[in-house]
Amino acid sequence: GIQVEQSPPDLILQEGANSTLRCNFSDSVNNLQWFHQNPWGQLINLFYIPSGTKQNGRLSATTVATERYSLLYISSSQTTDSGVYFCAVEGGSGTYKYIFGTGTRLKVLA
Amino acid sequence: NAGVTQTPKFQVLKTGQSMTLQCAQDMNHNSMYWYRQDPGMGLRLIYYSASEGTTDKGEVPNGYNVSRLNKREFSLRLESAAPSQTSVYFCASSLLGTGFPNEQFFGPGTRLTVL
Repeated sequence: GIQVEQSPPDLILQEGANSTLRCNFSDSVNNLQWFHQNPWGQLINLFYIPSGTKQNGRLSATTVATERYSLLYISSSQTTDSGVYFCAVEGGSGTYKYIFGTGTRLKVLA
Repeated sequence: NAGVTQTPKFQVLKTGQSMTLQCAQDMNHNSMYWYRQDPGMGLRLIYYSASEGTTDKGEVPNGYNVSRLNKREFSLRLESAAPSQTSVYFCASSLLGTGFPNEQFFGPGTRLTVL
């Protein structure tokens, strides 16, 4: 099955810093999502981005499907950005199954 | 809209007991999913239902059963709970269908401890 690797596994930033999180996947995918799991455990949809680039406020994401990776950019980080960021991919046609990476744990210090 | 709701929020079981986790969505989504999340890990798919009336196994189905009760509701049953099933369980749904993306939305989770 598809393997999903996220890097870095852990990241500590000072408030106001920028960061880039990476998601590599081992095969072609139909769909890709980025989620933020906040410290209370809630999973929040950030981007549905099987290809291309999207932006939402301080966050943006780019997926280059032909090269099998996606990037999540966080600019001007805030303490509320702390938590775990997951990338999830859905494999070949008709699988309907998302495979999650193990996440990047982000801590933003005030 | 409440989105995806799950009950209960917390549960403690003894080994061998049974229980059913409930999930409902009010977004008129076609497909529904059950995942488990173990400490320090990503989510793993237990079972899913691509449409009303169908269910299929995911990565880790052993020890679980599911029922797609209707389009809104998808339940997960543990027939004889084991300590290895201690986890946080998430339900998700998506508007999967011809021309619609498989973008999943998650419920708040159920934290289950099996003693």
